[in-house]
Amino acid sequence: GENVEQHPSTLSVQEGDSAVIKCTYSDSASNYFPWYKQELGKRPQLIIDIRSNVGEKKDQRIAVTLNKTAKHFSLHITETQPEDSAVYFCAASLKTSYDKVIFGPGTSLSVIP
Amino acid sequence: NAGVTQTPKFQVLKTGQSMTLQCAQDMNHEYMSWYRQDPGMGLRLIHYSVGAGITDQGEVPNGYNVSRSTTEDFPLRLLSAAPSQTSVYFCASSPDYPTNEKLFFGSGTQLSVL
Repeated sequence: GENVEQHPSTLSVQEGDSAVIKCTYSDSASNYFPWYKQELGKRPQLIIDIRSNVGEKKDQRIAVTLNKTAKHFSLHITETQPEDSAVYFCAASLKTSYDKVIFGPGTSLSVIP
Repeated sequence: NAGVTQTPKFQVLKTGQSMTLQCAQDMNHEYMSWYRQDPGMGLRLIHYSVGAGITDQGEVPNGYNVSRSTTEDFPLRLLSAAPSQTSVYFCASSPDYPTNEKLFFGSGTQLSVL
């Protein structure tokens, strides 16, 4: 089945710097790659997603890039702010009869003021 | 709309006890799923359903049962709780049937099994 790896597991950056989180997936048939943000004690929420027919997608300070050949995708956050501190999960949509969304283990991002 | 509602928020069980975690959504989503969240392991899929009367197993189904008698409700049953089932449980639904991609999560249930 699908396996999603995510690195790093923890990341600390100074406010205003950029943060990059990388994920790899195993099932070449997967074609949908969302990113979820989970603040402490809260539920995960979708922040951005990308499909396999697109190489890059941006939404204000966040962007996601996808390399289908290498089977990896990355989340980029620019001009980080303290409110960006959270756990970020990447995921891949496993193509079976019905899609299953498989998550990576998460990255804990701390933005230091 | 209330979105995805989970009850209870907290629960403590003794080993061997049974219980049901409730999940309800009022968005008329066909797809619903249960995840467990453990430190360092992300969100792991337990069971999912693509509509009333249809359920299937995810990554970690052992020890859990589900049923889907209505579009709105998707309860998760622990038949005989074990300490390994101590976790935070999230129910999620998706409007994007049949691709079941964009997930809306409930607020979670923190379960401790002693």
